Amino acid sequence: EPEVTQTPSHQVTQMGQEVILRCVPISNHLYFYWYRQILGQKVEFLVSFYNNEISEKSEIFDDQFSVERPDGSNFTLKIRSTKLEDSAMYFCASRPRDRGYEQYFGPGTRLTVT
Amino acid sequence: RKEVEQDPGPFNVPEGATVAFNCTYSNSASQSFFWYRQDCRKEPKLLMSVYSSGNEDGRFTAQLNRASQYISLLIRDSKLSDSATYLCVVVHMDTGRRALTFGSGTRLQVQP
Repeated sequence: EPEVTQTPSHQVTQMGQEVILRCVPISNHLYFYWYRQILGQKVEFLVSFYNNEISEKSEIFDDQFSVERPDGSNFTLKIRSTKLEDSAMYFCASRPRDRGYEQYFGPGTRLTVT
Repeated sequence: RKEVEQDPGPFNVPEGATVAFNCTYSNSASQSFFWYRQDCRKEPKLLMSVYSSGNEDGRFTAQLNRASQYISLLIRDSKLSDSATYLCVVVHMDTGRRALTFGSGTRLQVQP
């Protein structure tokens, strides 16, 4: 069964550094998402991406964040200058066009900012 | 008021028990509803969509009450492997947002 994959599984970085989190969505899916989950808290929406552009973003997704689909398979989340409060699990998700709003999640990247 | 509200639990039940979780949502324009399951430090996994007429998938039954803005999940004959956090998830349609809005989850611990 096709799966969303994410790399790396764990990223440790120093405050102020840039990080890029990578995702490979399921191949025939057209909508892509990033969510985050701070330890002990609920899953929160960051951004959605369709047709090579951002379709929605939350209040969390400020100028420090950007997303890109550099080729036909990868979907990346960049955090320009990490803060301590960016420490969280970051999940990528994708959904097909024809299955309502069901989304399928990758295993996540644990980001630790020190 | 939280957009999606769930009892955090934990619900501690013996194997074989029937357990029910409830969830309320605040936005009456919510149109799609799901239950996801999340194991500790893992990704949310889709358990089932919730349809207006109610739906069943094996031991799992989901129901939706739009008038009360209430969703439920019933698990029959609980297994040890059902131990997880169950996330109630809605999609709002009024703001144009199609992203998933998650509740904080209800933790289930099934005991031998």
